[in-house]
Amino acid sequence: TQLLEQSPQFLSIQEGENLTVYCNSSSVFSSLQWYRQEPGEGPVLLVTVVTGGEVKKLKRLTFQFGDARKDSSLHITAAQPGDTGLYLCAGDTSGTYKYIFGTGTRLKVLA
Amino acid sequence: AAGVIQSPRHLIKEKRETATLKCYPIPRHDTVYWYQQGPGQDPQFLISFYEKMQSDKGSIPDRFSAQQFSDYHSELNMSSLELGDSALYFCASSGSVYEQYFGPGTRLTVT
Repeated sequence: TQLLEQSPQFLSIQEGENLTVYCNSSSVFSSLQWYRQEPGEGPVLLVTVVTGGEVKKLKRLTFQFGDARKDSSLHITAAQPGDTGLYLCAGDTSGTYKYIFGTGTRLKVLA
Repeated sequence: AAGVIQSPRHLIKEKRETATLKCYPIPRHDTVYWYQQGPGQDPQFLISFYEKMQSDKGSIPDRFSAQQFSDYHSELNMSSLELGDSALYFCASSGSVYEQYFGPGTRLTVT
C-alpha cells in the first residue's frame, strides 16, 4: 500500500503555463520534502515543510503543507522547459530516519 | 560545496555474485540512508544509520546488509544477487531530521 499518492502521474504542458502537483496521504507526517529528479541522477531536495499550513516559495515554485500535515502541493508558475523532470514528495511519519516517497509526477514542459 | 559520493557509479554482476556499494556522506552529516529505485519507480527506502548505528529498516532483503563506519561512510553489501536486484541504488546523507541530500547513485546490473 502506497502511503503517499501523487497526482497527476504525468503532465505535459506548454511553456508559460501554470501547474499544481498534489501529494496526498491518510497518514500524518512530521515533515514532508519535495524533490526533483533527472533521469539517472539522484533526487535533488527542493524544500522541506514541517508546520501544518506552512507555505514556502522558491522562485516560481510554491509549496504548501496541509493544515493536518497529511497532504502537500507544489505549484509552478510560468513553467519553463528547464522544469521538466520527475517531482517526488517524501514524508517522514514519526520523526525517525525513515522516509516514504510518493508515486512521483513526471512533468514535461514544451517550448 | 561537497556532495554525497557514491562508488562505483556502474556495476555489472552475474546472478549469485556479491556486490559492495560505498557511500561517503557530506562532511559533518551523521545520518546515511540507502534507497533502491527500479526503472520508472519511486525510491524505496532500504535502511538508515545514525551515528554508526542502524536507525531504521525498510524493505531491505535479508541477502543485503549494511553498516556505517567510524568515518561515517557506509557500505551496502549485497549477496546472492538476483536479476530483480538490478536498479539504481542511492545513498543520501543528512545533518538534520528534515533533510536528505542524495548522491548520484550506483547503477547495478545483474545478468
